[in-house]
Amino acid sequence: KAGVTQTPRYLIKTRGQQVTLSCSPISGHRSVSWYQQTPGQGLQFLFEYFSETQRNKGNFPGRFSGRQFSNSRSEMNVSTLELGDSALYLCASSWAPQETQYFGPGTRLLVL
Amino acid sequence: GIQVEQSPPDLILQEGANSTLRCNFSDSVNNLQWFHQNPWGQLINLFYIPSGTKQNGRLSATTVATERYSLLYISSSQTTDSGVYFCAVRYGQNFVFGPGTRLSVLP
Repeated sequence: KAGVTQTPRYLIKTRGQQVTLSCSPISGHRSVSWYQQTPGQGLQFLFEYFSETQRNKGNFPGRFSGRQFSNSRSEMNVSTLELGDSALYLCASSWAPQETQYFGPGTRLLVL
Repeated sequence: GIQVEQSPPDLILQEGANSTLRCNFSDSVNNLQWFHQNPWGQLINLFYIPSGTKQNGRLSATTVATERYSLLYISSSQTTDSGVYFCAVRYGQNFVFGPGTRLSVLP
């Protein structure tokens, strides 16, 4: 069974731009969560989707948004990028929200 | 909110040595997972262990939910065990990570 895939793997943007990251969960998994990892803040929860509905959102500004499609694939969007948004963005999928999470390889975003 | 602490923050071992990593959490949790993050950033799922003991090869984990801690044991460490080990807990609808233990295994 294929694992969680994320695209793109690397991305360079400039301040003020927006970016969209994509995550394809493991086949059969309906829950997708997103996390931001930075050296200073560690791993922080962004949001969780289940059956196309956002169940929960972490403490991030409204510039961070996401959605989930009927095939469980998910996208997250960051608008008006800031230098501090430079991070590794990780996506995880699980069969259901309380079940074991499996992580993708991440997208490394650099904002210049 | 919940506090998740891990100790030690850094650990250096010689190949073949054993180690114990600890995860403390400040409130009751719904589940707990251990992950290994390799040098390329990939988080690898080690254990899903809300309570009890599990073993997988050279690795084993024990969670004592009533005392709010979990332990990860690594025996006969290998250089490929190097990386950062995270525990993460499900607290309500949030999934909260600890700060990690950075393990370096020297040949």
